[in-house]
Amino acid sequence: DQQVKQNSPSLSVQEGRISILNCDYTNSMFDYFLWYKKYPAEGPTFLISISSIKDKNEDGRFTVFLNKSAKHLSLHIVPSQPGDSAVYFCAASDQGGSEKLVFGKGTKLTVNP
Amino acid sequence: EAGVVQSPRYKIIEKKQPVAFWCNPISGHNTLYWYRQNLGQGPELLIRYENEEAVDDSQLPKDRFSAERLKGVDSTLKIQPAELGDSAVYLCASSSQSETQYFGPGTRLLVL
Repeated sequence: DQQVKQNSPSLSVQEGRISILNCDYTNSMFDYFLWYKKYPAEGPTFLISISSIKDKNEDGRFTVFLNKSAKHLSLHIVPSQPGDSAVYFCAASDQGGSEKLVFGKGTKLTVNP
Repeated sequence: EAGVVQSPRYKIIEKKQPVAFWCNPISGHNTLYWYRQNLGQGPELLIRYENEEAVDDSQLPKDRFSAERLKGVDSTLKIQPAELGDSAVYLCASSSQSETQYFGPGTRLLVL
């Protein structure tokens, strides 16, 4: 039973446009959510997080939106750049922090010049 | 500041052989994690250490996997004997308390 789902294995967008990556979860006890970015042959790199007490968190070109009632979160990248091409993992925790993360399968984003 | 260091980066072994992975966390990080990432999947937690104590090893296959974190710094993950299904990337991460986890580059294991 997959508790964190990223239903789109891949996404392709044009440079300068918006990239929207989606994530759904089933465990209502999750209260902290993170996005990690991963380049080939490297480990995942933390990108942005959001607590369940918020519905939006912004950091530069990256914004995460949380819809608790729908158990859905999304990552918006605006504007998208070719260097954003990577695999993006959604992760969730029920510990209020990063102690015990459950990851989705990832979405491969390709930003075309 | 140096990141999480893992070695080796790649390892190819035959099934039934033993293998060990080493991790050096970021200086000052008391929490250390070992994850396994299968192809096309997200990382899955194997074990979490708080200093030298394993506080969550519920997902560690204890019949063949073992881990240690002597002195609460470096850690070693061992598989003995390895099986074909153990082929994966083994990731180490560290954090300070329950703050953001920082990952190492991983060890890619291929069992033939």
